[in-house]
Amino acid sequence: DAGITQSPRHKVTETGTPVTLRCHQTENHRYMYWYRQDPGHGLRLIHYSYGVKDTDKGEVSDGYSVSRSKTEDFLLTLESATSSQTSVYFCAISGGPRAFFGQGTRLTVV
Amino acid sequence: DAKTTQPPSMDCAEGRAANLPCNHSTISGNEYVYWYRQIHSQGPQYIIHGLKNNETNEMASLIITEDRKSSTLILPHATLRDTAVYYCIAQNSGGSNYKLTFGKGTLLTVNP
Repeated sequence: DAGITQSPRHKVTETGTPVTLRCHQTENHRYMYWYRQDPGHGLRLIHYSYGVKDTDKGEVSDGYSVSRSKTEDFLLTLESATSSQTSVYFCAISGGPRAFFGQGTRLTVV
Repeated sequence: DAKTTQPPSMDCAEGRAANLPCNHSTISGNEYVYWYRQIHSQGPQYIIHGLKNNETNEMASLIITEDRKSSTLILPHATLRDTAVYYCIAQNSGGSNYKLTFGKGTLLTVNP
């Protein structure tokens, strides 16, 4: 399995608080992605990165920001969490056409 | 990216071949067909991909029709652990675009 780790795996936070999710890879892959998965919507792309300090928006980027200061780390930040951001978040990496996914972070905003 | 259409669910008996269809009638010449699967609560897992030739690996076979408008993923001897949601994705993998657009997929249930 590809070396990709998400942290934390589970988190409960209150509405209005900032939250940062971390994705760490040991594969030195160029591309990293954040997806969210909700019942009835499947997996949707939030943001992605194609290199250090190079990021772009996906289809559901509102309310999220990302940063990639090192090849191995891709951070997803919810500046002010809302209940609609309760979801399972998956990080993925790819160095080519094949993507590898992390185990997911279950975030609950109460 | 071409739209793909998959049946929402399928059943298969353990030990038999599972044949999962995917329609991608608007696929363009530079778009590949990818298959991923997601076992309950886990991250999606890559299975196979192809452009126009049939492909086989240790997990599955991919059969793409000559006109490339549809494809079939074949799991030759399904086991209970193959129960998962299977996603068919038609996407251009050239250049810098490796983003994957997931649809609803097919829930394959392998029965004992």
